[in-house]
Amino acid sequence: DVKVTQSSRYLVKRTGEKVFLECVQDMDHENMFWYRQDPGLGLRLIYFSYDVKMKEKGDIPEGYSVSREKKERFSLILESASTNQTSMYLCASSLYGSSRGAQHFGDGTRLSIL
Amino acid sequence: AQKITQTQPGMFVQEKEAVTLDCTYDTSDQSYGLFWYKQPSSGEMIFLIYQGSYDEQNATEGRYSLNFQKARKSANLVISASQLGDSAMYFCAMREGQTGANNLFFGTGTRLTVIP
Repeated sequence: DVKVTQSSRYLVKRTGEKVFLECVQDMDHENMFWYRQDPGLGLRLIYFSYDVKMKEKGDIPEGYSVSREKKERFSLILESASTNQTSMYLCASSLYGSSRGAQHFGDGTRLSIL
Repeated sequence: AQKITQTQPGMFVQEKEAVTLDCTYDTSDQSYGLFWYKQPSSGEMIFLIYQGSYDEQNATEGRYSLNFQKARKSANLVISASQLGDSAMYFCAMREGQTGANNLFFGTGTRLTVIP
């Protein structure tokens, strides 16, 4: 089975801090994604990557950046955390060009910015 | 315009009964894929079922089936013989175009509560 591991289940940070959320997958997937999930809004795509060192903006990239130095690892960076970035963050991966394209998700990180 | 619409914020179903969760989608692509995911209170997103736009038969996976009506652009999830463990958020999602980077668009979700 595909395993997507997010480094923290719960995280509390302060306004203005630089925050790193890490995600690792073990199935050699090319595609990796970062979403944030807020009540009533579903999942919104922040950034995705289809190859090492490649990144594409999603629907809500403002205030975030990403890094993909290795195929299995995709990091989300909050450059200067703000309270409106308090949310659930979900990482996912999928196989490029697969017949279905199903994404496999990690357990999520509940981030609180105080 | 929303690409995925789930109009039921919450649904209740009696244990052992069947329930249908609604999903409509909007795309001009001929090739696309439709997905349903389950999210228990613990937070992980669990892939349930997939329907390709060219698939002629409705997808089924155990107690889950996808009622695919292409002309109406609907992809409703049917859960048969509901169990208490089915209580969760359910998300409908769509991939547009051929598979590749496989970006998905998600609906806002339906919270299903199974009543004993």
